[in-house]
Amino acid sequence: EAQVTQNPRYLITVTGKKLTVTCSQNMNHEYMSWYRQDPGLGLRQIYYSMNVEVTDKGDVPEGYKVSRKEKRNFPLILESPSPNQTSLYFCASSLYGTSYEQYFGPGTRLTVT
Amino acid sequence: SQKIEQNSEALNIQEGKTATLTCNYTNYSPAYLQWYRQDPGRGPVFLLLIRENEKEKRKERLKVTFDTTLKQSLFHITASQPADSATYLCALVPYSGGGADGLTFGKGTHLIIQP
Repeated sequence: EAQVTQNPRYLITVTGKKLTVTCSQNMNHEYMSWYRQDPGLGLRQIYYSMNVEVTDKGDVPEGYKVSRKEKRNFPLILESPSPNQTSLYFCASSLYGTSYEQYFGPGTRLTVT
Repeated sequence: SQKIEQNSEALNIQEGKTATLTCNYTNYSPAYLQWYRQDPGRGPVFLLLIRENEKEKRKERLKVTFDTTLKQSLFHITASQPADSATYLCALVPYSGGGADGLTFGKGTHLIIQP
């Protein structure tokens, strides 16, 4: 089944404790991205990757890191999480870029206390 | 500044009627416009994509129009059903393409289909 998977689905952590949210797709998509969704603000892009070893900042990249060492994986790293990073996070992938339909993962609900 | 506006209030429609959702934009020159459905706590699901040179696109009970003069897209669900209740998001892709400025989402319209 074609899908985007994220882990963990739920995470409660404390300020400053480094964490990684994994994202994997099995559709051989070139493009992957991370979004956060907050009430009243909608979906906002954090980082994106056009291909392996190619990443770039989205609209809200502060406090996040990403890497793309393999085509299928695109982990999101929070080196020192803060409460304002409490949010619902989505990973997405598409064949070549944003002109194509985006396939979203199920989401990761992160709470930073 | 660039802005995408969707009805912020919930839209209540009686089952069987046509639901029409609006997406207005300013200070954009979109090459593409996409519509997604999102259920609570779940990831958005792609529905339709319409190009700047297309006026209308259909898929089963769904229809999307794109008027670049009015800077507006309309999303229609005909013969609506309670299962169509969800939040619907529009997203714009400007001519520059790419990532950061390649796909910007509206905040969505919550549609409720009442039996």
